[in-house]
Amino acid sequence: GAVVSQHPSWVICKSGTSVKIECRSLDFQATTMFWYRQFPKQSLMLMATSNEGSKATYEQGVEKDKFLINHASLTLSTLTVTSAHPEDSSFYICSAKLAGGSWETQYFGPGTRLLVL
Amino acid sequence: GESVGLHLPTLSVQEGDNSIINCAYSNSASDYFIWYKQESGKGPQFIIDIRSNMDKRQGQRVTVLLNKTVKHLSLQIAATQPGDSAVYFCAETPSYTGNQFYFGTGTSLTVIP
Repeated sequence: GAVVSQHPSWVICKSGTSVKIECRSLDFQATTMFWYRQFPKQSLMLMATSNEGSKATYEQGVEKDKFLINHASLTLSTLTVTSAHPEDSSFYICSAKLAGGSWETQYFGPGTRLLVL
Repeated sequence: GESVGLHLPTLSVQEGDNSIINCAYSNSASDYFIWYKQESGKGPQFIIDIRSNMDKRQGQRVTVLLNKTVKHLSLQIAATQPGDSAVYFCAETPSYTGNQFYFGTGTSLTVIP
């Protein structure tokens, strides 16, 4: 089946530093990838939609200058949390949708847990 | 985003019993719904989906019911097993192939052996 990986699986950083999270579709091409954030015991909140070769589309309330998204190829999207602060600590999950596919072809990564000290 | 999933977050059931997890949505234009299972520290896994032109769909041990009149969705798990313990989310999109996709609040299911 389709596999989406994320790296790193967890990261601890100091306040004020930047952290990059990678999302890869391992065995399929994904023109569209999505980034979600999930706080403990809460639902997944869509942060942005990442389209290969174009600018990401951010959801209302998500700061594009703080959460930089790059989708440079059909198998890789990156999320960079710039100048991270403790309130950015969360579980970040990406998903990838098969090129031209419907929502049943959306596959999720295992998530990256970020802790900002 | 759209408002999806306003129901209680926890459910405990005895092993072998049937489980029913509910979800409400607010967008009457919603076209497609998916139930996901999320185990602790992992990403969501697809369980079952349903289009808005259907009111029931069955999978292996799972059934999804859709009531468009009251904008309600439910997931029924038959003969619940300890491995079913997880958080279950409904998700909704107004378009089967579009780029808007929203998760509900989620329900934590605990199966008691």
